[in-house]
Amino acid sequence: AAGVIQSPRHLIKEKRETATLKCYPIPRHDTVYWYQQGPGQDPQFLISFYEKMQSDKGSIPDRFSAQQFSDYHSELNMSSLELGDSALYFCASSLGGLETQYFGPGTRLLVL
Amino acid sequence: SQQGEEDPQALSIQEGENATMNCSYKTSINNLQWYRQNSGRGLVHLILIRSNEREKHSGRLRVTLDTSKKSSSLLITASRAADTASYFCATALSSSGNTPLVFGKGTRLSVIA
Repeated sequence: AAGVIQSPRHLIKEKRETATLKCYPIPRHDTVYWYQQGPGQDPQFLISFYEKMQSDKGSIPDRFSAQQFSDYHSELNMSSLELGDSALYFCASSLGGLETQYFGPGTRLLVL
Repeated sequence: SQQGEEDPQALSIQEGENATMNCSYKTSINNLQWYRQNSGRGLVHLILIRSNEREKHSGRLRVTLDTSKKSSSLLITASRAADTASYFCATALSSSGNTPLVFGKGTRLSVIA
């Protein structure tokens, strides 16, 4: 069965640079969530989209933005990167009305 | 400010033993879910229990939910080395299918062969 695809899987950036993470949800899933997991931490919700509209907003810094496109894939744009942004970024998708979220493998971002 | 707190933080057992992990939460929930994460990898959904359910089974997994105590437990029976992972509980606050999950701190389980 198709799973959530995230790219890139690994990313190394310098401070103050920008990064774009991509997420391709499971086919027919209409909701995408972004989570951030720092080293040794639990995943923290950043933002979600349902039918291409922002659905909920969590602890997403103002330096970050995201959107969901017409094909339901989503991108997380991160600017003015800081050392503290180094983390695993997960995308999850679900089919509207169903509670189970399916997670992608994550993008490991390292900011130097 | 975390919704879920789990204990123990780390658990080490021998293969074949049972492992029990606990999760407590603070506010009313619609459902509680358990996820497994192998080191630095993605989160795998294990089981979902709704607020009107007390117990649920899936293979070697047994989950209980006590809404009066705002707590849940995950029991893994006859553990295997492959069960070594971090286990997180996550709560969904509303009945909407688009609700973000709030994760607990997780329990690191080590199963020694």
